Amino acid sequence: DAGVIQSPRHEVTEMGQEVTLRCKPISGHDYLFWYRQTMMRGLELLIYFNNNVPIDDSGMPEDRFSAKMPNASFSTLKIQPSEPRDSAVYFCASSLVGGYGYTFGSGTRLTVV
Amino acid sequence: EDKVVQSPLSLVVHEGDTVTLNCSYEVTNFRSLLWYKQEKKAPTFLFMLTSSGIEKKSGRLSSILDKKELFSILNITATQTGDSAVYLCAVDNNDMRFGAGTRLTVKP
Repeated sequence: DAGVIQSPRHEVTEMGQEVTLRCKPISGHDYLFWYRQTMMRGLELLIYFNNNVPIDDSGMPEDRFSAKMPNASFSTLKIQPSEPRDSAVYFCASSLVGGYGYTFGSGTRLTVV
Repeated sequence: EDKVVQSPLSLVVHEGDTVTLNCSYEVTNFRSLLWYKQEKKAPTFLFMLTSSGIEKKSGRLSSILDKKELFSILNITATQTGDSAVYLCAVDNNDMRFGAGTRLTVKP
């Protein structure tokens, strides 16, 4: 198993552009989580899905952020329009049962200039 | 290949018990090791460890790092039901590598 796969690994974009981060969870995992890691705020849970359905998106910072999970093997986190303060490392994780055995992806390092 | 391994995967104890959670790692360019408490909402930062042998304490929680043997432990004494959560270990080596977490359940 290749683990949780995130793409791209690095993204540099200009302010105002749309950014799409992608995640492929481990096959068979029912839960998918999106996190953001910054120096200022540490690790934040943005949203999580169970069986492709968003369960809790209260961590999504504002309307510029949206996440989808069209099927069990793919999720996206979109920022439109992007701002410099969105610069962070975004992690995707999946688990078989909520709260057991997380597997994290390698993260996407986003820089908005 | 960099990896972070936590054990046990899950743990069930009774209030008042003491627990020890383990995190071992193999990474290049180690900078620090972090512990988080993940409840239903946002993860809570617990500790950041950079030096061996220096215990960090916060109330009933404490943690120590051994950079020679490449592991850290998180101790919780006199556990309470509110300690029930997933405890995540992560290693910062300019990337962040997470362990699978330990699911702690504290029963009354």
